[in-house]
Amino acid sequence: ETGVTQSPTHLIKTRGQQVTLRCSSQSGHNTVSWYQQALGQGPQFIFQYYREEENGRGNFPPRFSGLQFPNYSSELNVNALELDDSALYLCASSWGLAGAYTDTQYFGPGTRLTVL
Amino acid sequence: AQTVTQSQPEMSVQEAETVTLSCTYDTSESDYYLFWYKQPPSRQMILVIRQEAYKQQNATENRFSVNFQKAAKSFSLKISDSQLGDAAMYFCAYRTLYGNKLVFGAGTILRVKS
Repeated sequence: ETGVTQSPTHLIKTRGQQVTLRCSSQSGHNTVSWYQQALGQGPQFIFQYYREEENGRGNFPPRFSGLQFPNYSSELNVNALELDDSALYLCASSWGLAGAYTDTQYFGPGTRLTVL
Repeated sequence: AQTVTQSQPEMSVQEAETVTLSCTYDTSESDYYLFWYKQPPSRQMILVIRQEAYKQQNATENRFSVNFQKAAKSFSLKISDSQLGDAAMYFCAYRTLYGNKLVFGAGTILRVKS
């Protein structure tokens, strides 16, 4: 069984640029959640994708957007990067039935984004 | 809104000893899940243990056990026979029964001394 994978491991961008982060969900999972973890803090929920549709969003501006593909892998896109976007971005996959049940979330190793 | 509080920024334990990490939370829900995740320097968030609020019995996973006090909204993690590999940041997290997001505390750094 393959776990959750993320790419790239590290990324350096400059302010104003755009970035795409990728996540492959664990085998058998249909739901992907994205979290932002600033240095020394707990992760903050960005949004979740269930069967290719956004299924809830945290307190993040619209320049944070995502996609989920038919194989349940996912992308996180951030436009107009700001210095405060520097963080560890974590992806978590799980199995669920929207509005009915969501199983435990399992995390990938994260992507460290640095914005200069 | 639900909140999770970890009041111990850092804890230390001697190898082979027992340590308890504290967590309190605030919610108006009656059914929910609580989790402890471990994040070593490798950054990967690893599930340690999960507790369903509707279960009175405290969850146990090998050397890890919880003390779940629903009325007090307290959810502490006990690590027995601590090992060097237990050194990590530990996060307490909450999720509603059918919710889509985890709400995390600020974390507790656990140091294990040999």
